[in-house]
Amino acid sequence: AQSVTQLGSHVSVSEGALVLLRCNYSSSVPPYLFWYVQYPNQGLQLLLKYTTGATLVKGINGFEAEFKKSETSFHLTKPSAHMSDAAEYFCAVNESLIQGAQKLVFGQGTRLTINP
Amino acid sequence: GAGVSQSPSNKVTEKGKDVELRCDPISGHTALYWYRQSLGQGLEFLIYFQGNSAPDKSGLPSDRFSAERTGGSVSTLTIQRTQQEDSAVYLCASSLHGSVGLYQETQYFGPGTRLLVL
Repeated sequence: AQSVTQLGSHVSVSEGALVLLRCNYSSSVPPYLFWYVQYPNQGLQLLLKYTTGATLVKGINGFEAEFKKSETSFHLTKPSAHMSDAAEYFCAVNESLIQGAQKLVFGQGTRLTINP
Repeated sequence: GAGVSQSPSNKVTEKGKDVELRCDPISGHTALYWYRQSLGQGLEFLIYFQGNSAPDKSGLPSDRFSAERTGGSVSTLTIQRTQQEDSAVYLCASSLHGSVGLYQETQYFGPGTRLLVL
């Protein structure tokens, strides 16, 4: 079964600094990978996803992630943090690659804090 | 509608009572999912509906949990004889087609229902 590990439950960076949120996955088949963001008292919003093709994926709000098969990683980055980026971020892998339920398996989440 | 909506936004109940949580998916979306977000377990898949197919209930934690989807649109998640460990945020998501071959669609999430069992 697939699994996702997010290193660091809390990450704090200064405004304008690089944001790096780490995600490693375990999968016996080529994975489909996702990053979601959750703002306080809101649902999950898709930031970006990797399915096939280019391994560097660009998403909304200036975020991007790179799929590295050799490292089984899908780290999320943003060159310059903004105060509005403060939220919880979830990495997820799709457990089912055959026709049927798209069960997303989520990591435990990383809470990002931005310091002024 | 414009997005996935859920009701109620918050629910406080007493241990042993039954609760019903409602989800209205995005209009035209045929696939609907329920997830649970709790402190101890993170985000967990519960159940999946795809069109008229039998639902995938493999994530339901016990037989106290059930869900139905009427008319291929609105879904209700029911928890019978609630326990304190059922306290969590219940998230609903929908996607246009679900899984069609190997094409992976985006799941759009609602704001969730925060359930507290006293």
